[in-house]
Amino acid sequence: EAGVAQSPRYKIIEKRQSVAFWCNPISGHATLYWYQQILGQGPKLLIQFQNNGVVDDSQLPKDRFSAERLKGVDSTLKIQPAKLEDSAVYLCASSLASGTFRDTQFFGPGTRLTVL
Amino acid sequence: KNQVEQSPQSLIILEGKNCTLQCNYTVSPFSNLRWYKQDTGRGPVSLTIMTFSENTKSNGRYTATLDADTKQSSLHITASQLSDSASYICVVSAGASKIIFGSGTRLSIRP
Repeated sequence: EAGVAQSPRYKIIEKRQSVAFWCNPISGHATLYWYQQILGQGPKLLIQFQNNGVVDDSQLPKDRFSAERLKGVDSTLKIQPAKLEDSAVYLCASSLASGTFRDTQFFGPGTRLTVL
Repeated sequence: KNQVEQSPQSLIILEGKNCTLQCNYTVSPFSNLRWYKQDTGRGPVSLTIMTFSENTKSNGRYTATLDADTKQSSLHITASQLSDSASYICVVSAGASKIIFGSGTRLSIRP
């Protein structure tokens, strides 16, 4: 079974530039999550989708971050404009069905973003 | 406030030795507790999940314990191997809609 795919794996941009990350979840997984993991810290949930609807985006900095999951499969996370403090690993995860945290989440390898 | 605290922050042990990682939480209402292993440059992978009624769960050389009364969990690694070098993250779910990650323990196994 293929895992969660993310691209790119690495991205270096200058502050105030824009960047987009892509995630393809495990086939059949209804729930998709985006996390931000700053070096030395645990992941922080940014947004959770159930199919193509948003379940929780309470920690998403909506003035600069946006995410969409068209057709309930792939998802993109965008940052515009980027700040130095956005340097982190952006993890995508998916889980099978219920959208609750009782399901096991499967994580992708992450995208490491460096903002200069 | 929902919090998950892990200790130690980092740990170095010799190959073949055992070790125990700690997780204390203040989360309500408690739903489940997971331990994840995160290799460098990779996403976390679930090792164990425990609900309120479970106090021990094993996965090979990994054994997790849960004391719901004291709100503590531990992850014990037996006969460590070089491949155990990773960060271990404790994650607690509150109800059905909140998930709180600890900061992780960075474990290094030396030959």
